[in-house]
Amino acid sequence: DIQLTQSPSSLSASVGDRVTITCQASQDIANYLSWYQQKPGRAPKLLIYDAYNLETGVPSRFSGSGSGTDFTFSISSLQPEDIATYYCQQYDDLPFTFGPGTRVDI
Amino acid sequence: EVHLLESGGGLAQPGGSLRLSCVASGFTFGDYAMAWVRQAPGKGLEWVSTITSTGSSSDYADAVKGRFTVSRDNSKNTLYVQMNSLRAEDTAIYYCAKGGAVIAHPFDHWGQGTLVSVSS
Repeated sequence: DIQLTQSPSSLSASVGDRVTITCQASQDIANYLSWYQQKPGRAPKLLIYDAYNLETGVPSRFSGSGSGTDFTFSISSLQPEDIATYYCQQYDDLPFTFGPGTRVDI
Repeated sequence: EVHLLESGGGLAQPGGSLRLSCVASGFTFGDYAMAWVRQAPGKGLEWVSTITSTGSSSDYADAVKGRFTVSRDNSKNTLYVQMNSLRAEDTAIYYCAKGGAVIAHPFDHWGQGTLVSVSS
């Protein structure tokens, strides 16, 4: 199975700050990586797919990069509504796996 | 607008069974793979199962293999998972998620989830 590690596990930042989360895969997954946002009590929401493509309707302050085993997710200017847990997920191979999540607070 | 609505959750005893359903609307259901993803209380996301658009093929997480069976009725736009031999560690919110025309695709829409609690 492909393991995903995320760091940090949590972070606290100020409104307007740039926030960066990393996701590392245990083997090459090309660009088959997505990022999800989950707010408390809500279902996950797809933000980024294929490592760097922004899902329709998602604000441009969110971005993704990377390929192979190392990926990065960024929020260019943190907003109060971005408080959530963020998960990476690989869909290169079954079983699909998620990272453990990164909790973002203000 | 894509809409996924799960139902069937509730309290089950260890060793018991439940069947979850997910009714889809807003897209051509039979053209897309579908999945179940669960989240134990206070924990992260865990992929459970995926089924192809036609229902001809499916796969499962090791934790549920042999106990859960995923199926779909494309004429009813409905996804199912039959959960047998339930264990306490199956307690979670179960989400239905829409995949793509191919298996290697992210989950671009999710239902609101249905809570399954396994306890005596």
